[in-house]
Amino acid sequence: GDSVTQMEGPVTLSEEAFLTINCTYTATGYPSLFWYVQYPGEGLQLLLKATKADDKGSNKGFEATYRKETTSFHLEKGSVQVSDSAVYFCALLTGANNLFFGTGTRLTVIP
Amino acid sequence: EAGVAQSPRYKIIEKRQSVAFWCNPISGHATLYWYQQILGQGPKLLIQFQNNGVVDDSQLPKDRFSAERLKGVDSTLKIQPAKLEDSAVYLCASTSAGGSQETQYFGPGTRLLVL
Repeated sequence: GDSVTQMEGPVTLSEEAFLTINCTYTATGYPSLFWYVQYPGEGLQLLLKATKADDKGSNKGFEATYRKETTSFHLEKGSVQVSDSAVYFCALLTGANNLFFGTGTRLTVIP
Repeated sequence: EAGVAQSPRYKIIEKRQSVAFWCNPISGHATLYWYQQILGQGPKLLIQFQNNGVVDDSQLPKDRFSAERLKGVDSTLKIQPAKLEDSAVYLCASTSAGGSQETQYFGPGTRLLVL
């Protein structure tokens, strides 16, 4: 069935460090892929998305490229800030409009 | 534009009691979703509505969970009777039409603790 496997956390980085959070997926058909972020005390927010192979989603300095050949959608940011501390969820949207989430990766950025 | 509203934000009950959660989606959004997010896990879909009809409730534990969206706007999710393992955050989300590229907008969630 459809599923998402996400890098285990927690991840702790110093400010301005490079961030990668790995995400791979299993799906029938051609899903859309998403990264959602959950800041402390807040609800899930869409961070970025890609709807077809080789698409790159980007927002707030974060990027992820839809790689069909490796079934991956890794999240990257070149220089993290303290305000990026949050839980990040990779998700795929099936043709039946069902969102499947990974388990989440908690990122803590220290000054 | 107002976001997805949910209430209550927190609820503590004892096992075997009943509880209800309320969701008001973004105005004009036809599709509404309820998710369960257990601590340390990603959200899992419980039920999806399109207007006032159920599209997918295959993951809803129907022996104790029920949901309705009678007028195609607000929705309620009920648990009766609650079990300890129902402790989780219950998230509501909505999209305008439920298309394959639609972004789901999430409410703040209701955090349920069953003692």
